[in-house]
Formats: sequence, structure tokens, C-alpha cells
Amino acid sequence: QSVLTQPPSVSGAPGQTVTISCTGSSSNIGADYDVNWYQQRPGTAPKVLLYANNNRPSGVPDRFSGSKSGTSASLAITGLQAEDEADYYCQSYDRSLSGSVFGGGTKLTVL
Amino acid sequence: QLQLQESGPGLVKPSETLSLTCTVSGASINNAHYYWGWVRQPPGKGLEWIGTVYYTGNTYYNPSLKSRVTISVDASKKQFSLKLTSVTAADTAVYYCARHTKSRGGYTWGHWGQGTLVTVSS
Repeated sequence: QSVLTQPPSVSGAPGQTVTISCTGSSSNIGADYDVNWYQQRPGTAPKVLLYANNNRPSGVPDRFSGSKSGTSASLAITGLQAEDEADYYCQSYDRSLSGSVFGGGTKLTVL
Repeated sequence: QLQLQESGPGLVKPSETLSLTCTVSGASINNAHYYWGWVRQPPGKGLEWIGTVYYTGNTYYNPSLKSRVTISVDASKKQFSLKLTSVTAADTAVYYCARHTKSRGGYTWGHWGQGTLVTVSS
């Protein structure tokens, strides 16, 4: 049972937009800690996709964007491409645990 | 270019101690802006933070694992290490070492090792 809750799977056709939600609590997202998003392709390590809620590292397309409100956050992917098929994880800081917490991950399937 | 490489046994017997080392190249462990940590991922499951060490030796552990975990750093060797005692099958996972920042907003895990699978089995 992950501290942050994500849908197990989402899907969309090429060119469409999908969103992935991440729900936390008052001790993490709701406590105004940043949400980061990671992309993990099969057999590889996670890679930071968005940091501090909606900031893209160099090389990440602007098709990826994030938002945060209250105790939740979301990742939006516009103009879906086949290469976006991967697992996506949200992550934040939890003041009760005094450390990182992750979502359970969402598998994105591009139809 | 920063690289992190995990090393250690891929098979550990139940009740024994899992020991892994992460070797850092392309950056200094002594950089005050960064922290060094371990994250694990059981097969087919999500990510779990295990713990973090700062170059000073200060450590931060996941409360659910704290009684069994020790993380240490050896800056002279450019390495940091993980020890997890009294392992069970539930500790079978891919173990990642990674570097993260720490700010008022929390932790951001910017660089990861490739991961190493550790299986707990007799």
C-alpha cells in the first residue's frame, strides 16, 4: 500500500491526451511539499520527468506537464506517442516519515 | 557525467544480511548540495525509499525499515553502502542507489544507478 495513490493503468491513442492522478494527504502533498514525476521503461531505472510540480529537466518534451492542488497532483501528457508507453510514478516528501514517498505507479499503454 | 553503480550479492539467504555498495563516478560525494540514497522495487511493484545518507554521515531511514537498515558513506572511496539485516522473501527486489537533492520542497531523485536484483531464497 503506497502512501501516494495512483491509478494502476491508463491508456490512450496516439495524439491524444492522458492524465495521471496522484493523491496524497496533509502530511505530504497537502503540506505543500513538491511533487516529482518519474518515467520508468521496462528493465531500466526511473528517470525524473518533472520536478517541483511542473518543471521539466533538459531534454523532456513540453508535451509533459504537471499540476498540484490541495492534496493531489496530476501529470498530463499531450500528443501521445508510442515512446511514451512506460510506468509513471509520483513522489513527494512526507513529514511524518521524514523522507520520500512514492505512488504505486501507473502503467501507460499507447493503443 | 555522473554514474552510479550498485554491486553486491544477487542471492541472499533468509535471516542473513543483504549488503550492497554504490560506487560514484563523475561527481564528488562531498558535494554539500546532494544526498545519496537507496530505493527498492519488488518485482512487478512500485518504488520504496529505504534511506539516505549525507556526506557528513548523517542518515535518514524509512521508519518501516529503520530497525534493520544501516547506510554509510566512504567519501575517500567514492562509495556509499546499504546493509539490511534479517532479510525475508519480502525483501526480494531491484535495489537502486541514487542521488537526490533536498530542499524546502522535499527530495528530488535526479540520478539513478541501473539497479541490481537481490533475491532472498535458501
